[in-house]
Amino acid sequence: DAGVTQSPTHLIKTRGQQVTLRCSPKSGHDTVSWYQQALGQGPQFIFQYYEEEERQRGNFPDRFSGHQFPNYSSELNVNALLLGDSALYLCASSQTSSEQYFGPGTRLTVT
Amino acid sequence: AQKVTQAQTEISVVEKEDVTLDCVYETRDTTYYLFWYKQPPSGELVFLIRRNSFDEQNEISGRYSWNFQKSTSSFNFTITASQVVDSAVYFCALSELNTNAGKSTFGDGTTLTVKP
Repeated sequence: DAGVTQSPTHLIKTRGQQVTLRCSPKSGHDTVSWYQQALGQGPQFIFQYYEEEERQRGNFPDRFSGHQFPNYSSELNVNALLLGDSALYLCASSQTSSEQYFGPGTRLTVT
Repeated sequence: AQKVTQAQTEISVVEKEDVTLDCVYETRDTTYYLFWYKQPPSGELVFLIRRNSFDEQNEISGRYSWNFQKSTSSFNFTITASQVVDSAVYFCALSELNTNAGKSTFGDGTTLTVKP
């Protein structure tokens, strides 16, 4: 049983560019949440997707958007990248009222 | 608003010592979940425990134990007889009870180094 997978593992982008990160949830999970973890800090909640809709959102600008597909996989898109967007982006999946399982993350570097 | 404070930024112990990681939280909710996660250098967050606010009973799992005290809004984590493999960053987190898992508020973590 595969756990949560994320791609790519690492990514380097230039300021102003756009990026798409991908996440496949653990088998049987229908909810995907995205977190941003800056160096030396705890993860910060970006948003959560359930039934292909954004259900909850943290304090992040509209440059951060997402999508969930019918197979429950999800994408995180960030437009107009800033240097401050450099971070580890974590995806977590869960089923209703269950604990979250995290993926290995995507390390994004913006230069 | 919810807040989680892990006052200990870094802790260093020698193998076989016991170590306690502190976690203090703030929430206006009367019902909530509390979590501990371990983040090894590989970066993946590993789930350790979830407790709901109804259950203040302490829990022990092998060398790990957790002390939940609602009166002081604390959820501390103790590792007994620490081992080098316990070296990692440990995060305490809080989430609402009445929503689907997610939107957790994390502390900034405690980096534990266990020396041989």
